[in-house]
Amino acid sequence: EDQVTQSPEALRLQEGESSSLNCSYTVSGLRGLFWYRQDPGKGPEFLFTLYSAGEEKEKERLKATLTKKESFLHITAPKPEDSATYLCAVQGRNYGGSQGNLIFGKGTKLSVKP
Amino acid sequence: GAGVSQSPSNKVTEKGKDVELRCDPISGHTALYWYRQRLGQGLEFLIYFQGNSAPDKSGLPSDRFSAERTGESVSTLTIQRTQQEDSAVYLCASSLVGRRGETQYFGPGTRLLVL
Repeated sequence: EDQVTQSPEALRLQEGESSSLNCSYTVSGLRGLFWYRQDPGKGPEFLFTLYSAGEEKEKERLKATLTKKESFLHITAPKPEDSATYLCAVQGRNYGGSQGNLIFGKGTKLSVKP
Repeated sequence: GAGVSQSPSNKVTEKGKDVELRCDPISGHTALYWYRQRLGQGLEFLIYFQGNSAPDKSGLPSDRFSAERTGESVSTLTIQRTQQEDSAVYLCASSLVGRRGETQYFGPGTRLLVL
């Protein structure tokens, strides 16, 4: 069964204190690993898609990396506006015959204090 | 439109009543997905549309839940005889053609509270 586990559940950082969020996954034939950001009361906002081990993508203070078993979202010198819940999701080759529903983790709630 | 839109933003209903939730996907997107997000839980898949057909309804939790889509546009998710455990945020997403590995873009969600 395809599964996604995110850790930690919550993370508190001081402004400027770099850290990483973890997403461990098991999936039959990874077709994509997705990172989203979700602010309170809003829908998930797309950040990155990673397709194969060794791939990396960057956007401002965020950098996502992928291995065969996990993905990391590295946050460099975070600012208070980076506070949000970060969601990880995977899409496998043959989940129930579906074309493409995503399997989500429960998310990591990040708080960055000034 | 520029993004996925959903209505209403919030819905409060009484147990036993029926509710209809609406989703307008990004223009030109043929694939549409419904997910449910309960408090403290990850998003769970409900149903997938390719055009106006639903090849995958495997996530619908019971026969009280149904969905339809007209053409390659608006979709409605209907919950009949609502129960308190139906309280959640219902999220809609769309993607260009529904190919594996394709990015899904989400709407703001409908927050449903069943009293």
